[in-house]
Amino acid sequence: NAGVTQTPKFQVLKTGQSMTLQCAQDMNHNSMYWYRQDPGMGLRLIYYSASEGTTDKGEVPNGYNVSRLNKREFSLRLESAAPSQTSVYFCASSEFAPGQAEVGTDTQYFGPGTRLTVL
Amino acid sequence: QQPVQSPQAVILREGEDAVINCSSSKALYSVHWYRQKHGEAPVFLMILLKGGEQKGHEKISASFNEKKQQSSLYLTASQLSYSGTYFCGTEISGTYKYIFGTGTRLKVLA
Repeated sequence: NAGVTQTPKFQVLKTGQSMTLQCAQDMNHNSMYWYRQDPGMGLRLIYYSASEGTTDKGEVPNGYNVSRLNKREFSLRLESAAPSQTSVYFCASSEFAPGQAEVGTDTQYFGPGTRLTVL
Repeated sequence: QQPVQSPQAVILREGEDAVINCSSSKALYSVHWYRQKHGEAPVFLMILLKGGEQKGHEKISASFNEKKQQSSLYLTASQLSYSGTYFCGTEISGTYKYIFGTGTRLKVLA
């Protein structure tokens, strides 16, 4: 099992350019998440998908869009990149959605991250 | 709504113990703990649910005080491999979203 994979690993954009970050998981998890982590900071939830066909806003959704393509894949799109979006982006997946975790269950498995710089 | 972690940083010698605290101003459904090494993705350690008891994972355990909306992570007999940044992730009851603390940097020295 590869777990959670993300592409690309690194990306440099100019202000105003667009791009899509790809994420895939092979653990048959129902829920998937996109986070950003700024230097010295914790993780902030951008969007999540509790199950295939649903998406919801997280803490910092402005400037981003997402697509849950199928159960395996969850993409994050920046339509017009801004320097404030320079960050490390992590995708994660879990068997259970928020509010459904049970004792003894794991929560989120994270991908290796994408380092994005917007000039 | 972001949970507050304390201390912000701690340095230990191998074999010493440490406690990391996570406090929220809101009623919590669950608290999760993660460890992140520099340049790597966070790794899940454990989850505590409302109504749950203290949990353990090797020499790392945690507790959740629902009345105070606080969780503590206990690291006993620390090893060099424990070095990293520890994050608590909280789920405020009814929000169905995870919010993470700013982290506690832990360094274990030989």
